[in-house]
Amino acid sequence: GAGVSQTPSNKVTEKGKYVELRCDPISGHTALYWYRQSLGQGPEFLIYFQGTGAADDSGLPNDRFFAVRPEGSVSTLKIQRTERGDSAMYLCASSIDRGTEAFFGQGTRLTVV
Amino acid sequence: GDSVTQMEGPVTLSEEAFLTINCTYTATGYPSLFWYVQYPGEGLQLLLKATKADDKGSNKGFEATYRKETTSFHLEKGSVQVSDSAVYFCALSDEGSSNTGKLIFGQGTTLQVKP
Repeated sequence: GAGVSQTPSNKVTEKGKYVELRCDPISGHTALYWYRQSLGQGPEFLIYFQGTGAADDSGLPNDRFFAVRPEGSVSTLKIQRTERGDSAMYLCASSIDRGTEAFFGQGTRLTVV
Repeated sequence: GDSVTQMEGPVTLSEEAFLTINCTYTATGYPSLFWYVQYPGEGLQLLLKATKADDKGSNKGFEATYRKETTSFHLEKGSVQVSDSAVYFCALSDEGSSNTGKLIFGQGTTLQVKP
């Protein structure tokens, strides 16, 4: 596609449920990043993939959060036992290689009720 | 750890006014500095960047100069337009040995330009 695509654009889930958020990066981009943006705040780094491997997952808040990128393209952010505090905009970005310009998707707005 | 601090918003200006949005940073290494913009209903877009001290980034009439001595990267525009209304984020990327490209953002500053 022309840009980074994230689906769904909105997700409402009940507390305690499991959710998956999908990111389709720009074709050929080897680096992929997930960020979380709370209302009125800047994005906060969650995890970085170079190819298929998670090269830096230091931003994941706890073990309920997990992300995969099995074929080095599409990535899925998985959140188990969701809590109301997980409500936020989840942003994905990709770049041709690490350290080059990152292109952001429009995000998935997650609401936990 | 590394951090970015931006001036609080919202900033409300009349069209053709001069814009300054302040940004200061704390970093242990020699970061690259960025301004991203988020227009209503759109994703974050890179506006400009500077990779070393005294570099000036510029785009669409916006400018910012990397000031190492004051650890600042203030965004300026000489004459704003209604179409510049958006949220502006200052960010840094620590280009240390890991060079992952991960970004540390400020909290964002909302700019509203009135006709």
